[in-house]
Amino acid sequence: EVQLVESGGGLVQPGGSLRLSCAASGFTFSSYEMNWVRQAPGKGLEWVSYISSSNTIYYADSVKGRFTISRDNAKNSLYLQMNSLRAEDTAIYYCAREDLQFDYWGQGTLVTVSS
Amino acid sequence: EIVLTQSPATLSLSPGERATLSCRASQSVSSYFAWYQQKPGQAPRLLIYDASYRATGIPARFSGSGSGTDFTLTISSLEPEDFAVYYCQQRYNWPLTFGGGTKVEIK
Repeated sequence: EVQLVESGGGLVQPGGSLRLSCAASGFTFSSYEMNWVRQAPGKGLEWVSYISSSNTIYYADSVKGRFTISRDNAKNSLYLQMNSLRAEDTAIYYCAREDLQFDYWGQGTLVTVSS
Repeated sequence: EIVLTQSPATLSLSPGERATLSCRASQSVSSYFAWYQQKPGQAPRLLIYDASYRATGIPARFSGSGSGTDFTLTISSLEPEDFAVYYCQQRYNWPLTFGGGTKVEIK
């Protein structure tokens, strides 16, 4: 069974940093493209970042230069390093496996940026 | 950036009725298009990929159509568990984008 479990969310002050993790199981993690998608409270979905199996990376303009996506295939894990956090980054962050589309999603981890 | 506009924002229907949801892209996305369902407190779930193919385990009452700029998700007969928010998404080019969502609520 495919499982994606996010962790690392929490309350952080504006300008602060957080590192999100996504533990994957039930599939060959190294073979799949992975993404982070976020959802602000009461709002819609926003794609954040993508990493391919060969480490090609893309970011949304809203996070470019502040967030860094990475993966550790030996640990079956996906990461999102978030720096210079802003109030508008407050959201549930989901990791999602991509098989041409987002076919499996984690349950998300909440990031709150507030003083 | 490709903008996806979903309509209507809210659809009020009764169980057993047919639901028709629309999504229009600001430029052609060919058939690189998907639909997701999200229930309160849950992660989104893939329903339709490549515009018209049902994902694994999705009931036949869900169908997708369209290509280019205009897409439709049809639920042939609403079941109680279908009341949720539906999002469209394109993967034609970067950045990947989602529509704003259509809420299907019980009338």
